[in-house]
Amino acid sequence: GENVEQHPSTLSVQEGDSAVIKCTYSDSASNYFPWYKQELGKRPQLIIDIRSNVGEKKDQRIAVTLNKTAKHFSLHITETQPEDSAVYFCAASGASGNTPLVFGKGTRLSVIA
Amino acid sequence: DGGITQSPKYLFRKEGQNVTLSCEQNLNHDAMYWYRQDPGQGLRLIYYSQIVNDFQKGDIAEGYSVSREKKESFPLTVTSAQKNPTAFYLCASTRTGSSYNEQFFGPGTRLTVL
Repeated sequence: GENVEQHPSTLSVQEGDSAVIKCTYSDSASNYFPWYKQELGKRPQLIIDIRSNVGEKKDQRIAVTLNKTAKHFSLHITETQPEDSAVYFCAASGASGNTPLVFGKGTRLSVIA
Repeated sequence: DGGITQSPKYLFRKEGQNVTLSCEQNLNHDAMYWYRQDPGQGLRLIYYSQIVNDFQKGDIAEGYSVSREKKESFPLTVTSAQKNPTAFYLCASTRTGSSYNEQFFGPGTRLTVL
C-alpha cells in the first residue's frame, strides 16, 4: 500500500522568510496530493492540492510542486506570517473515487515574529 | 467542512467501557472516514465506508467498530478491546462525484480514558 514520508517534523522560520515542507510517496498510481493545515485543537483544513497532470500550483503565498518521476511533492510558503504557525500534513491517494488518503506524520511550523 | 458534525467534543471513558462517537454530514457525500490522531503520528485511518451498509477496515481497526445504516451517519464505537484509546478522533467525508477525494473534516472528538 501507499506510504507517505514527510520532512521535517518541525520547522522554525523568521517572519517574512520562506518555508518548505517535503513529502515522498511510494505508490506510483497515486495521483492526488492535498496539503492540510491544522491549528491547535482544530480540524485539518485543506489549503491546496495538486493532481498528477500538473507540475505546480500556486495560490497567493502558497505553492505546491510535484515531481512524479521522483515521487515527491513539496509545499512552499512565502512571506511567512505568525498566523501560518500550525501543523501541516501532506497526503496522497489513488485514482479511484473515494480512495482513502494516506497522510504524512505532519510538520509543526513556527513563524517567529 | 461546516456540514460535518461530531459529538461529543470531549468524552471520558472508564476502562472496560464501550463508547460511541457520533459523526453526521449533510453534504450528500457518499464516502465517510474515521481517523485517529496522536501527537507526532499524523492521521491514521481506522475505518471507511464508500456506500451505505458497507465499510472497510483501515490501518488500525482493531478494537473499533462502525456502522453505516444511513448515508448521513457513520458512528464509531471504541470497544474495551482497544488498549490505548486516548486520542483525538476525526471524521471526514468525500465530495460526491469527484474523481479525486477532497476530504472535509469534522471538528473532532477528544477521548480520554480515566
